[in-house]
Amino acid sequence: KAGVTQTPRYLIKTRGQQVTLSCSPISGHRSVSWYQQTPGQGLQFLFEYFSETQRNKGNFPGRFSGRQFSNSRSEMNVSTLELGDSALYLCASSPGQQNTEAFFGQGTRLTVV
Amino acid sequence: AQTVTQSQPEMSVQEAETVTLSCTYDTSENNYYLFWYKQPPSRQMILVIRQEAYKQQNATENRFSVNFQKAAKSFSLKISDSQLGDTAMYFCAFMAYFGNEKLTFGTGTRLTIIP
Repeated sequence: KAGVTQTPRYLIKTRGQQVTLSCSPISGHRSVSWYQQTPGQGLQFLFEYFSETQRNKGNFPGRFSGRQFSNSRSEMNVSTLELGDSALYLCASSPGQQNTEAFFGQGTRLTVV
Repeated sequence: AQTVTQSQPEMSVQEAETVTLSCTYDTSENNYYLFWYKQPPSRQMILVIRQEAYKQQNATENRFSVNFQKAAKSFSLKISDSQLGDTAMYFCAFMAYFGNEKLTFGTGTRLTIIP
């Protein structure tokens, strides 16, 4: 069974630009969650999608958005990038029915210059 | 809101020894799950062990076991017979039972196994 796939693995963007990150969950998993990991703030929850619906959202500005497609693949978008958005973005997938084992991808390392 | 605290930023131990990582949490929830995740240099978060709060018995997975003290809101991880491959960041995490998959993480403990 293939694991969680995140693309791209590395990304360099300029301040003010926008970026889209992709996450393909494990086959059959309907829940996808996104986390931001930085040295200063640690791991912070961004949002979670289940069956194309956002069920939960963390405390991030509106520049951070996401969506989920009918095949459970998810994308997150960050608009008007700031230097502080430089981070490792992790995606996790789970079946979503109160099943608590989340499987993580290897992350996308975003650098904003 | 939940908080998870890991008070040991770094630890090191000789190979084959036993090490215990500490974690405390705060919540008003009665039903929840607690986890230990491992993040090696490859950056991928790997689930080490899970504990359901309603279970009194401490979870065990091979060389990994937990000491779950619900009243004290404490959840420590014991690694026995430590191996070089155990070198990683370890994160304690909390999820409310009806939390829609949201994990709240501690700040992590960097564990180094010394050959």
